[in-house]
Amino acid sequence: GQNIDQPTEMTATEGAIVQINCTYQTSGFNGLFWYQQHAGEAPTFLSYNVLDGLEEKGRFSSFLSRSKGYSYLLLKELQMKDSASYLCAVTDSNYQLIWGAGTKLIIKP
Amino acid sequence: DAGVIQSPRHEVTEMGQEVTLRCKPISGHNSLFWYRQTMMRGLELLIYFNNNVPIDDSGMPEDRFSAKMPNASFSTLKIQPSEPRDSAVYFCASTLDGGHNNQPQHFGDGTRLSIL
Repeated sequence: GQNIDQPTEMTATEGAIVQINCTYQTSGFNGLFWYQQHAGEAPTFLSYNVLDGLEEKGRFSSFLSRSKGYSYLLLKELQMKDSASYLCAVTDSNYQLIWGAGTKLIIKP
Repeated sequence: DAGVIQSPRHEVTEMGQEVTLRCKPISGHNSLFWYRQTMMRGLELLIYFNNNVPIDDSGMPEDRFSAKMPNASFSTLKIQPSEPRDSAVYFCASTLDGGHNNQPQHFGDGTRLSIL
């Protein structure tokens, strides 16, 4: 079966750095997305990786290792507004998007 | 640019009633997705359309659910008859080419549905 694993919840301190991991087992791989979802709102696109390595976009970076079936989202200089759920999603060989359950990130002052 | 537009934003109705959710995708997007999100099951794909044609409806829970896309700018998701377990947030999303070009999906604000 197809599976994406993320921690259910993480807590971090304002101003710190946090890394949210995602591991996947899918039938084929055509890319990995990270989305942010604030409570009561829609998911919004954060990043996309298809090649191994690190993609940096401001305070957020996303890393991919296809051989390990592993990705992480790195958030630097955490702000209170970063409190949200972060969803990992993988495009399989049929270009179907497989979604993880999401990681709820709690930022404390 | 207008994003994906969903209506209504909230719907509260009694069990047994018909519910119709509406979605207008981003202009130019040819793939449309309907999702359901609950705390217990997370984000679930119900059905997706490519060029107005249903491609995969394996996620539709049962015959009470149906979806249509009569043209490129409008889709509906209908539940008849509705049941309390259908209570959830329903999202519509759109993108180009079903994601084959690895464009992200863009989500509407969702419809929060409560069946009493």
